[in-house]
Amino acid sequence: GNSVTQMEGPVTLSEEAFLTINCTYTATGYPSLFWYVQYPGEGLQLLLKATKADDKGSNKGFEATYRKETTSFHLEKGSVQVSDSAVYFCALNKGGGADGLTFGKGTHLIIQP
Amino acid sequence: DVKVTQSSRYLVKRTGEKVFLECVQDMDHENMFWYRQDPGLGLRLIYFSYDVKMKEKGDIPEGYSVSREKKERFSLILESASTNQTSMYLCASSRSGGAVYEQYFGPGTRLTVT
Repeated sequence: GNSVTQMEGPVTLSEEAFLTINCTYTATGYPSLFWYVQYPGEGLQLLLKATKADDKGSNKGFEATYRKETTSFHLEKGSVQVSDSAVYFCALNKGGGADGLTFGKGTHLIIQP
Repeated sequence: DVKVTQSSRYLVKRTGEKVFLECVQDMDHENMFWYRQDPGLGLRLIYFSYDVKMKEKGDIPEGYSVSREKKERFSLILESASTNQTSMYLCASSRSGGAVYEQYFGPGTRLTVT
């Protein structure tokens, strides 16, 4: 079946450091891929998405590229801020839009000033 | 802005009680979802619905049921709550159609079963 694997953390970085959170997936067909972010005490928010191979999703300085050959969707940011501290979830869409998402276990990111 | 609201942020129930978790969305979305979130396990899909009165099992439906009598409302029911159902429950909704649309999440209900 479908699955998503991501580094669990916590990942601790200093402000302005470069960020990479790895995400790989197993899926049949051609899933859409997502990164969601959860700030403390809140629900999940979509950060970015990509719907086909070689697509690059980007938002708020974060980027991720859909790599079909390596089945990966790694999240990157060039210079992190304290306000980026949150839990990040990689996810894929099981099939059509009516189906639920398959999530990774989440990566807790801590940015220190 | 899309808004997904959940009836309670925190809930404490006793073992064996029947528990209702309510979710309402205000954007006329066709699809609605219930997930539970547990440390080290991420989010897991319990049930989803793509239309009024329609429901589909997700990955972990055991011990749960759902109801969708109106398009904007999706209820999760724990028929007889057990301690292993202590968790954070998240509701989400999305549009339907040919494209894959993002899911919008509510703030979550933290349920404790004692």
